[in-house]
Amino acid sequence: NAGVTQTPKFRVLKTGQSMTLLCAQDMNHEYMYWYRQDPGMGLRLIHYSVGEGTTAKGEVPDGYNVSRLKKQNFLLGLESAAPSQTSVYFCASSDRAGTASGNTIYFGEGSWLTVV
Amino acid sequence: SQQGEEDPQALSIQEGENATMNCSYKTSINNLQWYRQNSGRGLVHLILIRSNEREKHSGRLRVTLDTSKKSSSLLITASRAADTASYFCATALISGTYKYIFGTGTRLKVLA
Repeated sequence: NAGVTQTPKFRVLKTGQSMTLLCAQDMNHEYMYWYRQDPGMGLRLIHYSVGEGTTAKGEVPDGYNVSRLKKQNFLLGLESAAPSQTSVYFCASSDRAGTASGNTIYFGEGSWLTVV
Repeated sequence: SQQGEEDPQALSIQEGENATMNCSYKTSINNLQWYRQNSGRGLVHLILIRSNEREKHSGRLRVTLDTSKKSSSLLITASRAADTASYFCATALISGTYKYIFGTGTRLKVLA
């Protein structure tokens, strides 16, 4: 059981370049999330999705776009990368509220992104 | 601004000692969870406490919740070197959709 898988694990971008982080979960979870983690800032929610075809903004959505075309995938896009987006990005998923595991969030292993 | 703030930011103890870390939050919650993150890895769920619960145990973990003070504490008893990690609290907000807000974390170092 792979759980939550993120690709790529490491990437270096030049300012202004675009890229997409891919997240896949095999637990049939309804909810998916993208967080970024910076030193001293903890995890901050970028965007999240409560179901296929739906997305919503989190705490720090500016500069990012997301799509959830399939239930198992949640894509995070950077249209024009900036040095301020250098961070570790975590994808996560959870089941619907009210289910046995509904409150537990399962995380991927992270994607390290450097924008130069 | 962060919903959850952990305290202390860093904690260093000897193996066998107890470790206590605290989390304060700002708005009403449905539940509060604690997660652990080993260096360079993703977060792993440890324990959940609901807003109508005051204390919960799981192995060497004990979590308390005081909704009147909007705070929670995580106690790790008889700590081991393998407990060295960062610990985060996460709150599920009552309002609207199911999204979780994480605190800034406590870095725990257990010295052998």
